[in-house]
Amino acid sequence: GESVGLHLPTLSVQEGDNSIINCAYSNSASDYFIWYKQESGKGPQFIIDIRSNMDKRQGQRVTVLLNKTVKHLSLQIAATQPGDSAVYFCAETGANSKLTFGKGITLSVRP
Amino acid sequence: DTEVTQTPKHLVMGMTNKKSLKCEQHMGHRAMYWYKQKAKKPPELMFVYSYEKLSINESVPSRFSPECPNSSLLNLHLHALQPEDSALYLCASSQDRLGQGEAFFGQGTRLTVV
Repeated sequence: GESVGLHLPTLSVQEGDNSIINCAYSNSASDYFIWYKQESGKGPQFIIDIRSNMDKRQGQRVTVLLNKTVKHLSLQIAATQPGDSAVYFCAETGANSKLTFGKGITLSVRP
Repeated sequence: DTEVTQTPKHLVMGMTNKKSLKCEQHMGHRAMYWYKQKAKKPPELMFVYSYEKLSINESVPSRFSPECPNSSLLNLHLHALQPEDSALYLCASSQDRLGQGEAFFGQGTRLTVV
């Protein structure tokens, strides 16, 4: 069936390094992709989004890359900080506009 | 005000109890959502309200009963729950149903059924 998933369950990075979190999706009709950050005890927080007519979008310290050919989405975090430690979810919406979340990956930043 | 406020933050209830979760937003959003999130899992959509009308029910058991009294409020009434219903219940809102990806989430209600 259709699914949105992540390659790795956990990622540990050194403070100051760049982080790359990857996500694969299988619904070729998906046209809008979002990355969320969820800290312990909180709800998901919107980080950055990208539409299917783009392949790259940059925010403050974050970049999202979309490769529609291989149905791959990635989130890059520059100069990772301890406050970036959280669970990150990719999510997608297709023609039915239902938001589907991927499995989530835990980012742990080592001081 | 860009907040979605959920109350209570924590709730412990017995299997014979009736309780309600509440959600409020004052952003003028016309779509509101309930999600269920188990530990270490992604949120799963339960209900979607669009312009105060239920538009999506993701085959949720009838022991969960949503209600949208007005455009700012969303309730989730709970009755005869099971221990496996213990989870974080998240409310979200967006400008409209098509903007679900741009939704704002509340901090959730941590529900424990004993």
